Amino acid sequence: AQSVSQHNHHVILSEAASLELGCNYSYGGTVNLFWYVQYPGQHLQLLLKYFSGDPLVKGIKGFEAEFIKSKFSFNLRKPSVQWSDTAEYFCAVSPSSGNTPLVFGKGTRLSVIA
Amino acid sequence: GAGVSQSPSNKVTEKGKDVELRCDPISGHTALYWYRQSLGQGLEFLIYFQGNSAPDKSGLPSDRFSAERTGGSVSTLTIQRTQQEDSAVYLCASSSGGGDSYNEQFFGPGTRLTVL
Repeated sequence: AQSVSQHNHHVILSEAASLELGCNYSYGGTVNLFWYVQYPGQHLQLLLKYFSGDPLVKGIKGFEAEFIKSKFSFNLRKPSVQWSDTAEYFCAVSPSSGNTPLVFGKGTRLSVIA
Repeated sequence: GAGVSQSPSNKVTEKGKDVELRCDPISGHTALYWYRQSLGQGLEFLIYFQGNSAPDKSGLPSDRFSAERTGGSVSTLTIQRTQQEDSAVYLCASSSGGGDSYNEQFFGPGTRLTVL
């Protein structure tokens, strides 16, 4: 069965610090990979996605993620965080064929302090 | 256009009562998903509808949970004889089932269920 591991439960950073959130998945086949973000009081929004091609994908608000197939990883990065990035971040995976349910990690809560 | 909508936004019920949660997907989306978000547990898949196919119920935690999708659009998730462990945020998502195999799901705001 597929699974997703997010290594950091809660990350606290100062503004302008660099961010990297880890995500590893377990699945033997080709996958689609996603990062979703949930800002306080808001619903889940897609931050970025990887389907194929360039393993470095860029999303909204300056976020990017790199797919490393050999490591089964899809880490999320941002060079300089802002207070407004405070949110919960979820990594998710699905098989690339068809519309199938997503398997989510347990999420990483990011707190950015001034 | 309009996104995924869910109702009610909050539901408080007593243990043992039945509840119904509603989801209106994005118009034209043929795939509809229910997930549950419990504190500290991330999102857990419950059930998935794709067009007229039989739903994938593999994520339902017990036979107290059921869901239907009428006319290929609106879906209702029903929890019978609610228990305190059912307290969670129930999220609905939809995606297009078109020719491409991309699986971008759009989420609703969720229904926060509290079982007393």
